[in-house]
Amino acid sequence: GIQVEQSPPDLILQEGANSTLRCNFSDSVNNLQWFHQNPWGQLINLFYIPSGTKQNGRLSATTVATERYSLLYISSSQTTDSGVYFCAGGGQGAQKLVFGQGTRLTINP
Amino acid sequence: DAGITQSPRYKITETGRQVTLMCHQTWSHSYMFWYRQDLGHGLRLIYYSAAADITDKGEVPDGYVVSRSKTENFPLTLESATRSQTSVYFCASRRTGSQETQYFGPGTRLLVL
Repeated sequence: GIQVEQSPPDLILQEGANSTLRCNFSDSVNNLQWFHQNPWGQLINLFYIPSGTKQNGRLSATTVATERYSLLYISSSQTTDSGVYFCAGGGQGAQKLVFGQGTRLTINP
Repeated sequence: DAGITQSPRYKITETGRQVTLMCHQTWSHSYMFWYRQDLGHGLRLIYYSAAADITDKGEVPDGYVVSRSKTENFPLTLESATRSQTSVYFCASRRTGSQETQYFGPGTRLLVL
């Protein structure tokens, strides 16, 4: 099955910094999603992005399907951006998503 | 719009007891999922369901039972709880189709003593 690798595993930044999180897939995916788990444990869907680029405020995501990776960009980080970011993907016709191990982001004031 | 809810939010039980975690969604999503989250293991799929009366095993199904008699409910039962089942359990749902956004419930923190 598909394997998902996220990097870096941990990232510590000061408020106002920019960050890039990466997600690599072992095989082609046609359903790629990014999630944020806040410090209270809630998992929020950020993007559904099987290909191309999307932006939502200070967050944007780019998926290069042919090269099997996706990037999540966070600009002008705020302390509320802290938490764990997961990417997940599913292949053609897949019923379930495979999750990466996550990137733990800590934004210090 | 309640979305997807889980109950209880917190549960303490003893080894050997039966525990049922509830999941309810108001969107009429076809697919529902149960995950457990443990330190060092990320999110692991326990069971999932493609529709009412259709369920299938995920990555870590041993010790768990599911049912889905109604589209909106997907209970997870630990038949005889063990300490290794101490975890945070998340329910999720999405519409039919492999290219649909997945939504998570708030989670249930389970402690097995």
